[in-house]
Amino acid sequence: GAVVSQHPSWVICKSGTSVKIECRSLDFQATTMFWYRQFPKQSLMLMATSNEGSKATYEQGVEKDKFLINHASLTLSTLTVTSAHPEDSSFYICSSTGEANEKLFFGSGTQLSVL
Amino acid sequence: GQQVMQIPQYQHVQEGEDFTTYCNSSTTLSNIQWYKQRPGGHPVFLIQLVKSGEVKKQKRLTFQFGEAKKNSSLHITATQTTDVGTYFCAGRVGTASKLTFGTGTRLQVTL
Repeated sequence: GAVVSQHPSWVICKSGTSVKIECRSLDFQATTMFWYRQFPKQSLMLMATSNEGSKATYEQGVEKDKFLINHASLTLSTLTVTSAHPEDSSFYICSSTGEANEKLFFGSGTQLSVL
Repeated sequence: GQQVMQIPQYQHVQEGEDFTTYCNSSTTLSNIQWYKQRPGGHPVFLIQLVKSGEVKKQKRLTFQFGEAKKNSSLHITATQTTDVGTYFCAGRVGTASKLTFGTGTRLQVTL
């Protein structure tokens, strides 16, 4: 199956700093990457959909200037949490459908803790 | 917007007992998928259902898609400790590529 590599696995940062999360598709071309956010014991909430070479589509209520998404190549998509605050602490996880465009393959997730 | 609810939120069973989680969408779905997320892990795809009334089995797991394509269920027969985790349904509307995840059901299995 398709493999999505996500880094870092966890990060602790100070309030006001920016954090970049990378997701790479290792054995397929990820035309589309979905970015989710998950709070403890809750569901996955879609934040945005990124397509290679174009602007990301953000879900309602998600600040595009705070959560910057770049999908410059078919194998790399990044999410940058700018000026992070404690309320941004969460589990961020990327996923792609691979070439069959059906099931989602997820990265391992990034646990962000903002102090 | 589209909402996908699951019940129960949490269930604790003894090993060998059966388990069922129900998924209900506020809108008609083109297809529904099920994922399992182990504690501390990422969701892993289990199955996709496309047809109205479809039933699929994977060993001890039985998945159903409702006739109206607005609800689904996952039934596990004779649970094992390896079944522990959170089960999510996720639905697509029309030809949209994005999936909306259900609220999830957390299953705990003890000996």
